[in-house]
Amino acid sequence: DGGITQSPKYLFRKEGQNVTLSCEQNLNHDAMYWYRQDPGQGLRLIYYSQIVNDFQKGDIAEGYSVSREKKESFPLTVTSAQKNPTAFYLCASSSGSTFRTGELFFGEGSRLTVL
Amino acid sequence: KQEVTQIPAALSVPEGENLVLNCSFTDSAIYNLQWFRQDPGKGLTSLLLIQSSQREQTSGRLNASLDKSSGRSTLYIAASQPGDSATYLCAVRGNSGYALNFGKGTSLLVTP
Repeated sequence: DGGITQSPKYLFRKEGQNVTLSCEQNLNHDAMYWYRQDPGQGLRLIYYSQIVNDFQKGDIAEGYSVSREKKESFPLTVTSAQKNPTAFYLCASSSGSTFRTGELFFGEGSRLTVL
Repeated sequence: KQEVTQIPAALSVPEGENLVLNCSFTDSAIYNLQWFRQDPGKGLTSLLLIQSSQREQTSGRLNASLDKSSGRSTLYIAASQPGDSATYLCAVRGNSGYALNFGKGTSLLVTP
């Protein structure tokens, strides 16, 4: 079945460590996104990518990095520079004939806890 | 900056009731609006997508309307069921066109 796969589902990290969250999609979507969700807050955009080898910072990119070497994959690295990394991370991709009007689909999320 | 507000923040209704969830946004120049459902600890599931040229969309017991001029959308759920219990999020794709701005959601509990 087509969809978005995020891994791992749960991740624990010690302070000072970098971690990478995986996001893979087989929907043949050009656009991919990373959002962060915290209790009591709406989703906030970290990074997005419209095409392979191109990505843009969202509203809260500091302390994060991404790559887009393949259309299907958009991994997110949470670096030690991120001050408050404990959160639920959601990957999404966008469909449609044009980038702006496409419907957004989400993965199941990755929960990162910093010990 | 586009601000998206959802009212109420939480709602509890008995099974069988029809209900309306509200979403308002500050910038009426939007490309589309999307309603999602989120179960605890899970990702978001797309329910309905309304393009800026449309007034409403329907899927089963769900109906979403869009009034761009007033900056409002409503999600109507008919004959609610306990399985409808979840958080419902509204998101707007605005002028920038690159990503959605989300509301904080309405937490719905449907009691048997």
